[in-house]
Amino acid sequence: EDQVTQSPEALRLQEGESSSLNCSYTVSGLRGLFWYRQDPGKGPEFLFTLYSAGEEKEKERLKATLTKKESFLHITAPKPEDSATYLCAANNAGNMLTFGGGTRLMVKP
Amino acid sequence: DGGITQSPKYLFRKEGQNVTLSCEQNLNHDAMYWYRQDPGQGLRLIYYSQIVNDFQKGDIAEGYSVSREKKESFPLTVTSAQKNPTAFYLCASSIGDLQPQHFGDGTRLSIL
Repeated sequence: EDQVTQSPEALRLQEGESSSLNCSYTVSGLRGLFWYRQDPGKGPEFLFTLYSAGEEKEKERLKATLTKKESFLHITAPKPEDSATYLCAANNAGNMLTFGGGTRLMVKP
Repeated sequence: DGGITQSPKYLFRKEGQNVTLSCEQNLNHDAMYWYRQDPGQGLRLIYYSQIVNDFQKGDIAEGYSVSREKKESFPLTVTSAQKNPTAFYLCASSIGDLQPQHFGDGTRLSIL
């Protein structure tokens, strides 16, 4: 059974304190790994797609990386507006996604 | 602006009642999806449709039904058979295989 696990469940950072979020996956034949940002009461907003081990993508203070077993979302010098829940999802067949439980990030000024 | 519109934002259901959640997209996407999100949990797939007049069950389809009569619309009915319907429901669409799914802003369903 496909499984995606995110850690930690919650993360508190001071503004400017860099850190990483982890997404471990057990998926037969991974075809793509997606990262989303979700604000309270809103739908997830697409951030990145990674297709193969070694791939990296960047957007402002965020960088996503992928290995054969996990993906990391690195947040450099975060700001309070980066506070949100970050979701990862794995695609192994068709366009069906298996989502992790998310990491709730809180950045204090 | 192109996007996905879900309505209503909040919905209340009485015992034994069926309710229908609306999802409309103007992105010209072929594929559409319905997910359920419970507090502290990831999204779980209820139903999906890759083309008009065709849809498949996801992981938790029991107690739900859908239709796809138009490309733009994918309504979800929560039937009285769904015994624990309180959740945040999200609709998404995608242009095709391995392309990102884009989400609406959800409908929160509660039981009276």
